[in-house]
Amino acid sequence: ETGVTQTPRHLVMGMTNKKSLKCEQHLGHNAMYWYKQSAKKPLELMFVYSLEERVENNSVPSRFSPECPNSSHLFLHLHTLQPEDSALYLCASSQEEGTEAFFGQGTRLTVV
Amino acid sequence: SQKIEQNSEALNIQEGKTATLTCNYTNYSPAYLQWYRQDPGRGPVFLLLIRENEKEKRKERLKVTFDTTLKQSLFHITASQPADSATYLCAFYHTGFQKLVFGTGTRLLVSP
Repeated sequence: ETGVTQTPRHLVMGMTNKKSLKCEQHLGHNAMYWYKQSAKKPLELMFVYSLEERVENNSVPSRFSPECPNSSHLFLHLHTLQPEDSALYLCASSQEEGTEAFFGQGTRLTVV
Repeated sequence: SQKIEQNSEALNIQEGKTATLTCNYTNYSPAYLQWYRQDPGRGPVFLLLIRENEKEKRKERLKVTFDTTLKQSLFHITASQPADSATYLCAFYHTGFQKLVFGTGTRLLVSP
């Protein structure tokens, strides 16, 4: 265990559904991240929160909405997703931006 | 754009041999590089970080080198074991974009 817990581990949702992914870290880290990992592609950074402040990432579609209520919790709210959004979604944390990242086990998302 | 290149083909070696994985980067000069291990369906696990002023770093059977002239890092696993079979990811932190840039990873298969 890395100290970063993600739930659920697997999620199947329809294109009209709304769901949320949850991430919790018990490491006292100041930065938290959402990554998307698709087959044969590099890890793709979606969002960064540093000291609970969001670093904008304009390339992520608005159907993905992050929320960081405190330094230990991070959510990714999903709605009206597309089949191409099916991927492994990974949460990570680090002491500061750029230092070694600790990843959760990921949520395998399938959009049908 | 800044890029990390890792050999996309799997590396097959026999148990007991040394595995050497390559990471090349372009259009940027990172202050440090990181290496991660990822098993199927799980999040990456941090292994080693090497700074630009360090030529080599070791941890148990792992060794990483960093050649800023060649813009290359080599990752070695000595006395490899079947349990070392996994995908190994290279990453660097881009201070301008404030994000870790990952390669696609190289899959290592160690056969008994």
